[in-house]
Amino acid sequence: DTGVSQDPRHKITKRGQNVTFRCDPISEHNRLYWYRQTLGQGPEFLTYFQNEAQLEKSRLLSDRFSAERPKGSFSTLEIQRTEQGDSAMYLCASSAPGQTTSQYFGPGTRLTVT
Amino acid sequence: EDQVTQSPEALRLQEGESSSLNCSYTVSGLRGLFWYRQDPGKGPEFLFTLYSAGEEKEKERLKATLTKKESFLHITAPKPEDSATYLCAVRFYNQGGKLIFGQGTELSVKP
Repeated sequence: DTGVSQDPRHKITKRGQNVTFRCDPISEHNRLYWYRQTLGQGPEFLTYFQNEAQLEKSRLLSDRFSAERPKGSFSTLEIQRTEQGDSAMYLCASSAPGQTTSQYFGPGTRLTVT
Repeated sequence: EDQVTQSPEALRLQEGESSSLNCSYTVSGLRGLFWYRQDPGKGPEFLFTLYSAGEEKEKERLKATLTKKESFLHITAPKPEDSATYLCAVRFYNQGGKLIFGQGTELSVKP
């Protein structure tokens, strides 16, 4: 069973550096979502794709953040000029076609900005 | 503003002591309510989806119910391995595909 996978699982970076995370969704899922989670809080929505189209972006997604899903399969999330406030767990989820299908999450990428 | 609130924030139970977790939401057209389990350092694990008031879903010791304003996750005779954070999330009609999460209930079950 190949669920949602994310790489890397952990990333430590210095403030001001750029980082990129990858997410591979469940193969038949056409929707892909990015969330951010800080300690003691529920995940917060960042953005989502249907196939290769980015349909919605949260106002949390500043201009330092960019996400792509070039061929409608895997997705990348890049953070430029990282800040300490970017330290969080970045979660990716995917769902099958349909308005009410459930989202399945990957293991997350833990980012620490020093 | 659409909001999701979970209570209590933390719950400590003895093994076998049944209880319930609550998830309430402000309504602007519910498209679905989702329950997840999250272990420390891991991604949320899908448990249930509920779509309409009166609906119930069960899985092992867990049972989820839905009314027009809230959902309950009932835990019957819990075991230590049920210890985790339980997250509730809602999808509203006017919010596209995203889920709005509550802050979670941290459940600890002691033997």
